[in-house]
Amino acid sequence: DTGVSQDPRHKITKRGQNVTFRCDPISEHNRLYWYRQTLGQGPEFLTYFQNEAQLEKSRLLSDRFSAERPKGSFSTLEIQRTEQGDSAMYLCASSPMGFSGNTIYFGEGSWLTVV
Amino acid sequence: DQQVKQNSPSLSVQEGRISILNCDYTNSMFDYFLWYKKYPAEGPTFLISISSIKDKNEDGRFTVFLNKSAKHLSLHIVPSQPGDSAVYFCALYINAGGTSYGKLTFGQGTILTVHP
Repeated sequence: DTGVSQDPRHKITKRGQNVTFRCDPISEHNRLYWYRQTLGQGPEFLTYFQNEAQLEKSRLLSDRFSAERPKGSFSTLEIQRTEQGDSAMYLCASSPMGFSGNTIYFGEGSWLTVV
Repeated sequence: DQQVKQNSPSLSVQEGRISILNCDYTNSMFDYFLWYKKYPAEGPTFLISISSIKDKNEDGRFTVFLNKSAKHLSLHIVPSQPGDSAVYFCALYINAGGTSYGKLTFGQGTILTVHP
């Protein structure tokens, strides 16, 4: 399977714990994105990487969130000191440099439940 | 502020009839408009798009209409099939003279149910 893969698919954690999600993009895609989707809402943009450089961060990405893409391949999204409001689906997507709407591919998402 | 709105949370249609999903936006800078389909436990998948220089784009059973003056787009599915049952999102972005990237602004989604 050469699609975008995310791990873990589901995570239940206690409030205050740290969690980390991993995303493996399509191998030839330079660009990688993280989105967050809460119940009843559409996905919201969090951050964007071009190769290993993080080029944009949404104001939704508080100081407790950090994303990395150390070698320009896979990416991790870490949430420190989780809060109940962090419960959501975290979606990763990737695209090639020549972006158009039909060239961005989403993974299946990582569900986070904070109890 | 919600820049993109899908005011109908759900839509129920009989198989074979037309499904019409609507999306309104406020920011006139948006110049590319997309529709995504999402099944439970899966990520969104691209369905159809339109740029601001057009007012209609057709792909098989799916047609997207754009009314720039009203800042409104719609997706028509004809004929609707039970397999079309899913959540549909409109997503918009600013092309910025060809330097765009995948920063999409999504609507809240509409749950479409097509009954056999």
